[in-house]
Amino acid sequence: DAKTTQPNSMESNEEEPVHLPCNHSTISGTDYIHWYRQLPSQGPEYVIHGLTSNVNNRMASLAIAEDRKSSTLILHRATLRDAAVYYCILRRANAGGTSYGKLTFGQGTILTVHP
Amino acid sequence: TAGITQAPTSQILAAGRSMTLRCTQDMRHNAMYWYRQDLGLGLRLIHYSNTAGTTGKGEVPDGYSVSRANTDDFPLTLASAVPSQTSVYFCASSTRAHTEAFFGQGTRLTVV
Repeated sequence: DAKTTQPNSMESNEEEPVHLPCNHSTISGTDYIHWYRQLPSQGPEYVIHGLTSNVNNRMASLAIAEDRKSSTLILHRATLRDAAVYYCILRRANAGGTSYGKLTFGQGTILTVHP
Repeated sequence: TAGITQAPTSQILAAGRSMTLRCTQDMRHNAMYWYRQDLGLGLRLIHYSNTAGTTGKGEVPDGYSVSRANTDDFPLTLASAVPSQTSVYFCASSTRAHTEAFFGQGTRLTVV
């Protein structure tokens, strides 16, 4: 499985944007880029995912580099509730779309949000 | 909707005893996963199942077994618990690689 590299920790102030980077230089053409986060004492929760194009949803935006070797999760206005560990994960699909792609977690980025 | 449910929420277990952690989902997801999370080590995959009737080993399968008799249930069994299996266990389910996965709230297991 292709690996991802994230900074160990980042800090932000409330109501400011946050850009969480992820490097995945060995990504393959069928790897989807997924982001999950884990709040204290909870299970991980899905944030966003993409393949090649940038993606937006109600929680965040995902910016994917043109060569797909890196991506950035963007929280447009951080809140105290966004303080969590953020995981960037690659899930491999096959050409037929029948692969389930194991979720393999790295260490993630601990995001601290200051009031 | 219930989503994915784990039981029990927490358990203290004597070393050498057996235990089954339960995981049930009502989303008809084909793929299910078991992870353990230890301080400083992140989430590690124990076993997974892509469809009912099939299972596979993850990164840390030793000391654990799973079964997948139907789509909804994916129990994790510790045949003879050891203190190193003290951890928080998470169950997850999803459909394909290009869709989101859902996680349970976890089972905190302490082996003494």
